[in-house]
Order: sequence, then structure tokens, then C-alpha cells
Amino acid sequence: EDKVVQSPLSLVVHEGDTVTLNCSYEVTNFRSLLWYKQEKKAPTFLFMLTSSGIEKKSGRLSSILDKKELFSILNITATQTGDSAVYLCAVEASGDDKIIFGKGTRLHILP
Amino acid sequence: SAVISQKPSRDICQRGTSLTIQCQVDSQVTMMFWYRQQPGQSLTLIATANQGSEATYESGFVIDKFPISRPNLTFSTLTVSNMSPEDSSIYLCSVEGGRDTQETQYFGPGTRLLVL
Repeated sequence: EDKVVQSPLSLVVHEGDTVTLNCSYEVTNFRSLLWYKQEKKAPTFLFMLTSSGIEKKSGRLSSILDKKELFSILNITATQTGDSAVYLCAVEASGDDKIIFGKGTRLHILP
Repeated sequence: SAVISQKPSRDICQRGTSLTIQCQVDSQVTMMFWYRQQPGQSLTLIATANQGSEATYESGFVIDKFPISRPNLTFSTLTVSNMSPEDSSIYLCSVEGGRDTQETQYFGPGTRLLVL
């Protein structure tokens, strides 16, 4: 059964800390892995990863994929209160064309 | 947790036709959401569907184009009407469920639509 597992489920840190969010997956016919930030109803796209070992960066956020070990991490450095959100990981599978979402990591940044 | 299924998983349609996407949840939920995902872009919320009332549409989406039904607490449909190639996208159904004392959002596997 295809699945995406995120850890931790929730995380509370202080402003300025660095956090690492984890996403592991078991998916037949992997196509891509997606990270989103959800503050309100509609998640905001962060990264799409398709190749192993290539880091993607956007400001203080970065992500990397390991297709051999079947996981990805999302790093946030120098966290700010505005980073408080639920971070969703999703994997696209070709073949039967589906997207499998993890349950998300709820991140709370304390001032 | 909630398990969501969608039908069809994918379809290829001709311009001007309509497609109805079904979303089934394995538990009763109050709110169901319909999104679309275009490649490399954020999920875009189309509407929120509550059982027993009209769906609430987000800016840029109208009922004539995306009629929604919500006949009971476990099922909803989204119709994409009078389709054009710009409607090619992945359409996702989502629900909110409790996780301990925190709400989390569950997503269906998506319907991949290609309009020719």
C-alpha cells in the first residue's frame, strides 16, 4: 500500500532555531515529491523534488530527496514566527496517477 | 484519520464537455474541500462543500463552471463544466479530521484531467 509518513507530527521551537522536517514514503512508480506550507485552507507550494541528492533552496528553506532511502527532509533555518504552519509532504505516483499526502507536521515557532 | 477515494483517477476529455468527479470518505465529515493543482503551483481552493447547504466558492470560481453536490456527510461531487484546455489539472478532494486535539487535513488521491 502506498503511503507517506511525516515526522514529527508536531514541533515547537523558539525563534531563531533550525528545524528539520522528515518525510518518508513507499510508493510504486515514484514521480515526484512535493512540499507545501499550509497556514489557511489552501497549501502553498514550496518545492518539487524529482532527483536524488540535489538540494533545492528558497531563502531560509531547503529540501533534499533521497530516492534510495525513500525520504526527504525540509530544513528551515533561523526560524521566524511566520514559519508557524502545517508542512505537508506529498508524493506523486505515475501509473495510476495519484498524489499521496502525509498527515503533515504542525510547526509552532515561539517568539 | 480519514480515507478518501476519488473517481475517476484520470480522464482525457474533449473541449466543451463536462466531467463529474466523485469523492467518497470512509467517515462522516462536516466540511469537504475541492482543490486543483497545476504543475509546480500551489494547491488552489475551488470551494468548500458543507452538507445541507450551498457550496462556498473562492474568488475566481463560480457555481456555473464548477457545480458541487454534497448529498450526505460522506460524499461529494465536483463537475467541471464546458471544459477548456485551461482546466487541465489535478483535482483533489480534502476533508478535515481530528488528530488528538488538533485538526488535520486529509487529501484524496486526486483526479488527473487532461482537456484536449
